[in-house]
Amino acid sequence: DGGITQSPKYLFRKEGQNVTLSCEQNLNHDAMYWYRQDPGQGLRLIYYSQIVNDFQKGDIAEGYSVSREKKESFPLTVTSAQKNPTAFYLCASSQGDRNTGELFFGEGSRLTVL
Amino acid sequence: EDQVTQSPEALRLQEGESSSLNCSYTVSGLRGLFWYRQDPGKGPEFLFTLYSAGEEKEKERLKATLTKKESFLHITAPKPEDSATYLCAVQVEYKLSFGAGTTVTVRA
Repeated sequence: DGGITQSPKYLFRKEGQNVTLSCEQNLNHDAMYWYRQDPGQGLRLIYYSQIVNDFQKGDIAEGYSVSREKKESFPLTVTSAQKNPTAFYLCASSQGDRNTGELFFGEGSRLTVL
Repeated sequence: EDQVTQSPEALRLQEGESSSLNCSYTVSGLRGLFWYRQDPGKGPEFLFTLYSAGEEKEKERLKATLTKKESFLHITAPKPEDSATYLCAVQVEYKLSFGAGTTVTVRA
């Protein structure tokens, strides 16, 4: 079945450590996104990529980094520079262009900083 | 700054009790308005796209409508399985701005 796979589902990190969240899609979508979800707030865009080897900062990119070396993969690294990393992280993809708003989401990764 | 506001924050319904959720927005250059459903601990699932005022979309017990300043998601005769958080989002250029969502609980 086509879809988006995020791993790990749960992750615990000590302060000062970098962690990488995996996101893989087999939908043959061009565009991929990372969102952060906090209680009582809307999803906030961290980074997005419309094509391989290219990505742009979203609204809250500070303390995060990404890469897009393959069409299928868009990993997110949460660095020690991110002041408040505990959150639910969602990866999504879309066909791009006019269908940009029709996103397919993964199941999410919940990061907790100890 | 683009803003998306959803109301109410939470809605408790009896099974069969119809109601509506509101999504108001202040954006320039709206390219589309989107509704998603999110179950606890899961990623959102796409429901509808609306592009222009007056447009309506339906899916089972859900109906979405759009005006120039807001969108409504009507839930007709809801069932317990309709319990979820409903998110709306507006697209400007290539970005989506999401509201905080309305959490709907339907009691049998």
